[in-house]
Amino acid sequence: SQKIEQNSEALNIQEGKTATLTCNYTNYSPAYLQWYRQDPGRGPVFLLLIRENEKEKRKERLKVTFDTTLKQSLFHITASQPADSATYLCAPSNQAGTALIFGKGTTLSVSS
Amino acid sequence: ETGVTQTPRHLVMGMTNKKSLKCEQHLGHNAMYWYKQSAKKPLELMFVYNFKEQTENNSVPSRFSPECPNSSHLFLHLHTLQPEDSALYLCASSQPGASGSSYEQYFGPGTRLTVT
Repeated sequence: SQKIEQNSEALNIQEGKTATLTCNYTNYSPAYLQWYRQDPGRGPVFLLLIRENEKEKRKERLKVTFDTTLKQSLFHITASQPADSATYLCAPSNQAGTALIFGKGTTLSVSS
Repeated sequence: ETGVTQTPRHLVMGMTNKKSLKCEQHLGHNAMYWYKQSAKKPLELMFVYNFKEQTENNSVPSRFSPECPNSSHLFLHLHTLQPEDSALYLCASSQPGASGSSYEQYFGPGTRLTVT
């Protein structure tokens, strides 16, 4: 069965450092991979989408890579800030973009 | 605000009750979704509707019954639930089939359901 693994449940880093979150998937060949942010008690918020033929995507301090050979996506937040503290979810999806399979998420804590 | 609203935000119901969750999206999207999020577990896709037609039912028990009367509204009818059904129920919408970055899903704030 399809499986999504995010490297760790929790990641603690100091303000100003780069946070790197990992998403690995098995038994799946997604056409897209999306990353979402979720704050406690709220719904996830879309951050970035990367296609299978794209190696890297950037948006402000965020960068996502997608390696279909390794079946892995890396999500980077540079110059992290305490406001970046949240749970980050990875979600590979099919060609239609309708069937998202979410990982459990990694909870990032950025301390000042 | 994401353009997706859900009511009620909190719901406590007994196992013999019947209740409904409502979702409304103001984004003009044609796909709507129900997800269940339990503590320490990933988001679980329950149902997908495309242009009001159900296209996916992820082996959800029949005590959960979805209804999509139009592309803007989605309901989840609940009856004879179990305590393990207590969770955050999230609604989302998207515009599938469009090019570019239109596959992202917009989530509502969720309904926190407690079954006693």
